[in-house]
Amino acid sequence: AQSVAQPEDQVNVAEGNPLTVKCTYSVSGNPYLFWYVQYPNRGLQFLLKYITGDNLVKGSYGFEAEFNKSQTSFHLKKPSALVSDSALYFCAVRDMRGNDMRFGAGTRLTVKP
Amino acid sequence: GAGVSQTPSNKVTEKGKYVELRCDPISGHTALYWYRQSLGQGPEFLIYFQGTGAADDSGLPNDRFFAVRPEGSVSTLKIQRTERGDSAVYLCASSQGPATSTDTQYFGPGTRLTVL
Repeated sequence: AQSVAQPEDQVNVAEGNPLTVKCTYSVSGNPYLFWYVQYPNRGLQFLLKYITGDNLVKGSYGFEAEFNKSQTSFHLKKPSALVSDSALYFCAVRDMRGNDMRFGAGTRLTVKP
Repeated sequence: GAGVSQTPSNKVTEKGKYVELRCDPISGHTALYWYRQSLGQGPEFLIYFQGTGAADDSGLPNDRFFAVRPEGSVSTLKIQRTERGDSAVYLCASSQGPATSTDTQYFGPGTRLTVL
């Protein structure tokens, strides 16, 4: 069965600095990979996904993620963090044949002014 | 509306009671999913509907949980004889194509269920 690991519970960065939120996955076959963001008392908002093709995926709000098959990773990145990026970030994976999407436990990103 | 909506936003009930949680997906989306998110965890898959039928209910924890989607649009998650361990945020999502497609799942705001 597929699974996702987000090794950091918390990431702190200063506004204007680059940010990285890490994600590694395990799946049989080719993965579909997703990043969602969750603000307090709100549902998950889709940021970006990797299906196939270019390993660098660009998404909403200036975020991007790099698919690395050899390292089974899909880290989320942004060149310059904003205070408003502070939220809970979830990585998710699905294999090509499955119905269910497996989520990591989440990483809380705090961007300080 | 433009997004997935869920009602109620909050539900407080007593142990042993029956509850119903409603999800209204994005118009035209054929696939609908229920997830459960416990405190400090990511969402966990419960059930997936393609049209009116439950295509995959492998995530339902036990037979106290049941969900329906009679007309292929609105879905109701039903929990019988609630237990304190059922307390969580229940999330609904929908996607345009089936689960095995590459279509994105879009989530509603969730229903926070508290069982006293």
